[in-house]
Amino acid sequence: DSGVTQTPKHLITATGQRVTLRCSPRSGDLSVYWYQQSLDQGLQFLIQYYNGEERAKGNILERFSAQQFPDLHSELNLSSLELGDSALYFCASSYRARGGNTGELFFGEGSRLTVL
Amino acid sequence: AQKITQTQPGMFVQEKEAVTLDCTYDTSDPSYGLFWYKQPSSGEMIFLIYQGSYDQQNATEGRYSLNFQKARKSANLVISASQLGDSAMYFCAMREGPNFGNEKLTFGTGTRLTIIP
Repeated sequence: DSGVTQTPKHLITATGQRVTLRCSPRSGDLSVYWYQQSLDQGLQFLIQYYNGEERAKGNILERFSAQQFPDLHSELNLSSLELGDSALYFCASSYRARGGNTGELFFGEGSRLTVL
Repeated sequence: AQKITQTQPGMFVQEKEAVTLDCTYDTSDPSYGLFWYKQPSSGEMIFLIYQGSYDQQNATEGRYSLNFQKARKSANLVISASQLGDSAMYFCAMREGPNFGNEKLTFGTGTRLTIIP
């Protein structure tokens, strides 16, 4: 158990709909990362938040948005869903280096989104 | 150019044998970190081992070791005495820059390892 919690684990929805994926990072971790894993694109970095602020942006579509709340949990919002958005969405967390930290990301179990 | 390259889409290895999974990387940053993750069929991503660019010795974690050849920009994962439970997808990943609150990782395409009894 990595300590990172993602809900829901599975989600089936229709094209054009909107969904929200939720992530609770490990206790004490300030950074949250969102990744998308699809069969044809592999693991793609979407976005990072650090202590409530957006820190880095990757290949995130304009239809997607995210935020990190004061309690450090994060939500990824996916709207106007298309068939190609079907993927496993991972949240990962980490904490600021304090000497000896390797900086590995701790991943949740993922939210599997199926768009029909 | 790909930052992380894993050239072996799939590998089959006999149980109890050692296996080497290849990974090459590309960065101009002198400070970086290299990671290996395991993804079993259940889907979760499990951290295995880490190597920093300034580390003098190759990293080891139990049956896992990282063969770090900096000049060749390679960071191969070696699994000794393979077990059936090692069957999974393995990803090599890299962090560019020092580890100061920027742990964004770039992943390779992965190698699917199958251990044969």
